[in-house]
Amino acid sequence: NFMLTQPHSVSESPGKTVTISCTRSSGSIASNFVQWYQQRPGSSPTTVIYENYQRPSGVPDRFSGSIDGSSNSASLTISGLKTEDEADYYCQSYDSSRVFGGGTKLTVL
Amino acid sequence: QLQLQESGPGLVKPSETLSLTCTVSGDSISSSSYYWAWVRQPPGKGLEWIGSIDYSGSTDYNPSLKSRVSISVDKSRNQFSLKLSSVTAADTAVYYCARDYVPINWFDPWGQGTLVTVSS
Repeated sequence: NFMLTQPHSVSESPGKTVTISCTRSSGSIASNFVQWYQQRPGSSPTTVIYENYQRPSGVPDRFSGSIDGSSNSASLTISGLKTEDEADYYCQSYDSSRVFGGGTKLTVL
Repeated sequence: QLQLQESGPGLVKPSETLSLTCTVSGDSISSSSYYWAWVRQPPGKGLEWIGSIDYSGSTDYNPSLKSRVSISVDKSRNQFSLKLSSVTAADTAVYYCARDYVPINWFDPWGQGTLVTVSS
């Protein structure tokens, strides 16, 4: 099976833009949809992006998703950072199995 | 509004079997569009998919846990359940249940999670 690799942590200032990457180890990133989940401390994960770039209702358009075949990776971009965006973010995809990335801790300082 | 709620013992002894139940409310577990999943998260670590089941009892399991995992469904109670055998301290985690939207395998929504500690 494949792995999804994310940076362990990223940090940025309020109002700025940050991008979190998610690199697939084998097989094409474009073969299966990628989802992104936000998990605040002590809470369950919630979806911020599904099907590579779709936003569930209620998720602000500051959150966007994309995939890049050349780097075989997906990206989550958060613009206009707010302190409330500080959380862990997980990418997830699938083929014969469902796979999560290791998670990225976003610090907004 | 769909809600999921995990229940079960918070403490399990090593070598015994962990058993949890997820109760689904706000929708029927018999919908053919969905599987129903278990995901766990050890303290301070990331998410790990355990397995998923559909209303007919068809299952998918994480290969790394497959030999110890059993997931079942009870349509009459709108519940699905997890059994994990021969547990060790490494199985200590928050266990979440979630709807698994096929065919994109999107987990949403999630239950609140329940902490299971493996200790004698």
